[in-house]
Amino acid sequence: SYELTQPPSVSVSPGQTARITCSGDALPKQYAYWYQQKPGQAPVLVIYKDSERPSGIPERFSGSSSGTTVTLTISGVQAEDEADYYCQSADSSGTYPRVFGGGTKLTVL
Amino acid sequence: EVQLVESGGGLVQPGGSLRLSCAASGFTFSSYEMNWVRQAPGKGLEWVSYISSSGSTIYYADSVKGRFTISRDNAKNSLYLQMNSLRAEDTAVYYCARILYDSSGLDYWGQGTLVTVSS
Repeated sequence: SYELTQPPSVSVSPGQTARITCSGDALPKQYAYWYQQKPGQAPVLVIYKDSERPSGIPERFSGSSSGTTVTLTISGVQAEDEADYYCQSADSSGTYPRVFGGGTKLTVL
Repeated sequence: EVQLVESGGGLVQPGGSLRLSCAASGFTFSSYEMNWVRQAPGKGLEWVSYISSSGSTIYYADSVKGRFTISRDNAKNSLYLQMNSLRAEDTAVYYCARILYDSSGLDYWGQGTLVTVSS
């Protein structure tokens, strides 16, 4: 099976920058996607194709890619950004077309 | 406005069957690929199945292969998931989700329907 690895938790103070990483062997060849999920709600797509931002997503959300690691960056974190964040991608062979990372709990201190 | 509304969840005994439905509105359903994603209580997201816009291409996660069947009816703007031989570990909220055009991202999600497998 193919795995994407995320840190279980990240904590930042309001106004600081939060960086959440996602690692996977196929990430140099496959796009990554990021979702935000708040308690009791469905996930929301916040970044697609590594670094593109859907309409309606604040500019403080950005994405980047370097080798086998992709990073979701939230600049000027606000209390409302506290949520679980998941990366999603695929393996290089297409055997596993959609895989999610284990998720990262972002805590705003 | 794009809307995805799941239904059909509930309590089922181990070994039983359930059919989930997802009613789509606000977009041209027949033009979009669709997925089912689930989330066990307190756990992360798990991709379950994919179906192409025409229904001709289908993929499953290893954990459900041979037990679950995805299908769609473009005339009824509906997506389905037939779940057989259910196990306790299939207990989860099941979401239907639309694929963002020309990508593998999921841009719209339903509110989810809870499936509980227990005796």
